[in-house]
Amino acid sequence: GNSVTQMEGPVTLSEEAFLTINCTYTATGYPSLFWYVQYPGEGLQLLLKATKADDKGSNKGFEATYRKETTSFHLEKGSVQVSDSAVYFCALSDRGGYQKVTFGTGTKLQVIP
Amino acid sequence: NAGVTQTPKFQVLKTGQSMTLQCAQDMNHNSMYWYRQDPGMGLRLIYYSASEGTTDKGEVPNGYNVSRLNKREFSLRLESAAPSQTSVYFCASSDQLNSDTQYFGPGTRLTVL
Repeated sequence: GNSVTQMEGPVTLSEEAFLTINCTYTATGYPSLFWYVQYPGEGLQLLLKATKADDKGSNKGFEATYRKETTSFHLEKGSVQVSDSAVYFCALSDRGGYQKVTFGTGTKLQVIP
Repeated sequence: NAGVTQTPKFQVLKTGQSMTLQCAQDMNHNSMYWYRQDPGMGLRLIYYSASEGTTDKGEVPNGYNVSRLNKREFSLRLESAAPSQTSVYFCASSDQLNSDTQYFGPGTRLTVL
């Protein structure tokens, strides 16, 4: 079956540091890949997505590239802010049937001033 | 637009009590989902409704029932609550035909004593 593996947290960074959160996946076919973000006390919201190999998703300074050869979708940001503190979920959609989405376990990011 | 709304935000139950979690979306989406979020386990799908009038089991359906009341509303019922159902519950919706992005409600934090 499908699975998503992302790095354990929590990740603690100083403001303006470079962020990488690793994500790898296992899936049949050609899934869409997502990063969702969950701010404290809120539901998940889409951060970025990519639908085919070599696509780069980007939003709010975050980027991730769909790497089919390494089955990876790592999240990066060049300079994090305190407001980026949240839990980040990598996910995939196999686009079959009811659009089943498989989520990773989430990585908590804490940015300190 | 309100997006996806959920009620209540918090609930405490005693073992054996029943309750219904309500969810509504105003985006005219066909598909709706119920997830539970537990520490270290990401999000797990309980039930989903691909379209009005249909419902199907997800990964962890035991102890739950659902009703797709109309296109807007999708409720989750716990008939006899157990401590293992202590969790945060999220409702989500998507426009399955045009996009594989899911939109989440703010969640319901349920504690079963």
